[in-house]
Amino acid sequence: GENVEQHPSTLSVQEGDSAVIKCTYSDSASNYFPWYKQELGKRPQLIIDIRSNVGEKKDQRIAVTLNKTAKHFSLHITETQPEDSAVYFCAASRAGTASKLTFGTGTRLQVTL
Amino acid sequence: GAGVSQSPRYKVAKRGQDVALRCDPISGHVSLFWYQQALGQGPEFLTYFQNEAQLDKSGLPSDRFFAERPEGSVSTLKIQRTQQEDSAVYLCASSFGGLDYGYTFGSGTRLTVV
Repeated sequence: GENVEQHPSTLSVQEGDSAVIKCTYSDSASNYFPWYKQELGKRPQLIIDIRSNVGEKKDQRIAVTLNKTAKHFSLHITETQPEDSAVYFCAASRAGTASKLTFGTGTRLQVTL
Repeated sequence: GAGVSQSPRYKVAKRGQDVALRCDPISGHVSLFWYQQALGQGPEFLTYFQNEAQLDKSGLPSDRFFAERPEGSVSTLKIQRTQQEDSAVYLCASSFGGLDYGYTFGSGTRLTVV
């Protein structure tokens, strides 16, 4: 089955700096890669996703890049703000009706003032 | 409703007790998923329903875990004879038609087995 590894496990940045979180996956058939943000005690919320036919996707301060050959994808957050502090999870799947997500172990991002 | 609703929000069970966790998906959502999230870990897949049919239960950790969705809407995850290792947050997610339409997660049920 699919295996997703995520690094780093914790990340501390100063407000305004950029943050980068990296994930690798094992199943070359995976073609859908979402990123979720989870605040303490709350539900995971989708913040951005990318499909394998695209190398990069951007939404305001958030971007995701995908390297299919190397089987890795990354989340980039620019101009970080304190409200970006949360745990971020990457995931991988074969998109389709019955698709289940395989999640990474999470990155705790702390944005300091 | 406006979102995926799960109840109870918190559950404390004595080891050996049976528990039932409820998920109310978004109205009209065909797909329903259950995930287990241990402390400090990412969610792990348990089972998947398309309407009332349970199409994938490969993630259920043992035969003590059972899930149903008899009318294709509300789903119940039942854990029999709970063990300490069952302590986790149980997340439900629903989708109109699978990942192509995106998931919406509920807030989860935090189960603590003492």
